[in-house]
Amino acid sequence: GQSLEQPSEVTAVEGAIVQINCTYQTSGFYGLSWYQQHDGGAPTFLSYNGLDGLEETGRFSSFLSRSDSYGYLLLQELQMKDSASYFCAVRETGSSNTGKLIFGQGTTLQVKP
Amino acid sequence: SQTIHQWPATLVQPVGSPLSLECTVEGTSNPNLYWYRQAAGRGLQLLFYSVGIGQISSEVPQNLSASRPQDRQFILSSKKLLLSDSGFYLCAWGQGEYTGELFFGEGSRLTVL
Repeated sequence: GQSLEQPSEVTAVEGAIVQINCTYQTSGFYGLSWYQQHDGGAPTFLSYNGLDGLEETGRFSSFLSRSDSYGYLLLQELQMKDSASYFCAVRETGSSNTGKLIFGQGTTLQVKP
Repeated sequence: SQTIHQWPATLVQPVGSPLSLECTVEGTSNPNLYWYRQAAGRGLQLLFYSVGIGQISSEVPQNLSASRPQDRQFILSSKKLLLSDSGFYLCAWGQGEYTGELFFGEGSRLTVL
């Protein structure tokens, strides 16, 4: 089986930096993805880490450490529109042609003025 | 460009009634297709995935079934809905060569009364 753990809620102020952590336990592992979901909307892809290290995309960065079974999403220069739920998701070995992802329970980020 | 359409967006059904949710993808061929369900304030649970026409894999035992009658069409069905089937249903597609990215439809919100 597999499990992913991330904090249920995070609050930060506009302009600040926030880090959302994700720890996982899987029988095998290809990579870690991050998705954003605004209330009532569909999840949208933010980033993917297939290798250890940091991936940067604009204000968002994602990090993976395979040895620690740990990753995080870093959001910089927070804006009000960043208020949303953020999900980590793992792609397990054995899913090379299925591409299926297993999602965490999500972290609700509230950005305050 | 690729698009994914999912309908209906909202439906309210009585217990014991049938269900049919439809999803179609345009602009790509031989996609992997997925049905996820999301309970209020929770993560995404993978229900079914398909790597080709007529090929359906179920992730959890349940009151639902899926079919893929055409390459870019994915249908979620039930013969008799239960109260516990209420939720937000999301269709998604991805490719086998993997970047950790799935593309989600806008979702179907089902309320069973």
